[in-house]
Amino acid sequence: GEDVEQSLFLSVREGDSSVINCTYTDSSSTYLYWYKQEPGAGLQLLTYIFSNMDMKQDQRLTVLLNKKDKHLSLRIADTQTGDSAIYFCAEGFGNEKLTFGTGTRLTIIP
Amino acid sequence: GAVVSQHPSWVICKSGTSVKIECRSLDFQATTMFWYRQFPKQSLMLMATSNEGSKATYEQGVEKDKFLINHASLTLSTLTVTSAHPEDSSFYICSARDPGLAGGSSTDTQYFGPGTRLTVL
Repeated sequence: GEDVEQSLFLSVREGDSSVINCTYTDSSSTYLYWYKQEPGAGLQLLTYIFSNMDMKQDQRLTVLLNKKDKHLSLRIADTQTGDSAIYFCAEGFGNEKLTFGTGTRLTIIP
Repeated sequence: GAVVSQHPSWVICKSGTSVKIECRSLDFQATTMFWYRQFPKQSLMLMATSNEGSKATYEQGVEKDKFLINHASLTLSTLTVTSAHPEDSSFYICSARDPGLAGGSSTDTQYFGPGTRLTVL
């Protein structure tokens, strides 16, 4: 079955860039997503990338996709305290069913 | 973007009682809604897919008689946890699928509700 993995923790100094990585196994995925979850809250869709793209940039967010290696990353430029949260990557085929990664807890160091 | 609400945001109940959680898409019609469960410090696990006007599709290992799902309209799906026990305590999150038209997005996307924290005593 599908499997999506992320490292559990990441600490970054305020103002630096954060890079959150994700690996997945299902090569038939058509969309890959990044969601943000703040404490006690639901998931907020940050960005997504279609599987035939290599990169997508949206303001401070840059998504890189290496389909050959099944590796997805999210780069947050100029990380701020408000970026502290858990970040989930997810893969889906036509968005019928999403498989989520384990989540990466991003901590910002002042 | 599209907005999905859940009610209640938290609930505490006694063991053996039933609890109903509502999921609404506020500004778009969702033919498909999904119900997830999240244990503390863990990822989301899909419980079931709810299709308007038809029976829900449950994931392996999820008891359909315990977690009753009803999707009676294009904007509302409900999850009822029947005869709840302490091990059912969890964070339940729904999402609604926007096929990419009414919600203003350019692609097929799931929008998530804020979640419902269920505590069974």
